[in-house]
Amino acid sequence: QSALTQPASVSGSPGQSITISCTGTSSDVGGYNFVSWYQQHPGKAPKLMIYGVNNRPSGVSNRFSASKSGNTASLTISGLQAEDEADYYCMSYASSSTRVVFGTGTKVTVL
Amino acid sequence: QVTLKESGPALVKPTQTLTLTCTFSGFSLSSSGMRANWIRQPPGKALEWLARIDWDDEKFYSTSLKTRLTISKDTSKNQVVLTMTNMDPVDTATYYCAQMGPQWELLLWGQGTLVTVSS
Repeated sequence: QSALTQPASVSGSPGQSITISCTGTSSDVGGYNFVSWYQQHPGKAPKLMIYGVNNRPSGVSNRFSASKSGNTASLTISGLQAEDEADYYCMSYASSSTRVVFGTGTKVTVL
Repeated sequence: QVTLKESGPALVKPTQTLTLTCTFSGFSLSSSGMRANWIRQPPGKALEWLARIDWDDEKFYSTSLKTRLTISKDTSKNQVVLTMTNMDPVDTATYYCAQMGPQWELLLWGQGTLVTVSS
């Protein structure tokens, strides 16, 4: 099972909006609504930011939103803040025996 | 409040077997719908899912590592154990355990434990 494809890096100025894409196949992202997104600061464990394609867990800022179209999921961060600078990973259920596949990861830089 | 914490050796030699323990609180793996997972992350690289065990003892493994992995649980101790055989330097990584929700989301993660494989 190949990893989901994400851009290596995305940057934006404070207050701007950025979008991170996550491209898979019909056997994972495109076939199921089990896409989640994780934020990871350096040296820290990942934190769940989005689940079920576009649902935010309690406590996650509403500046984070997500969607899916075909085989590509997207995470949007609005009103970019310095604290958003981190690595972001998507993850999806997969119909292969592997069952779970992560994205390649995207480093978000706040200029 | 759910917490998870990984423990195990920081250093293993090539060809040895790694045994990691995840001790958790705030939920029970004997309760319907509960699931625990292991994930790893080599230094500077992406996350890689390894294995999952459910409340009913159903197990899932990464296809690429299936022959080397065994996941098990001890509900009386609130622990999940992962063993990985024939360790290699490429297995050097931070290993995380995480609770999984009903939509295959990893709800909460442990702090991770760094395992280095070197002679």
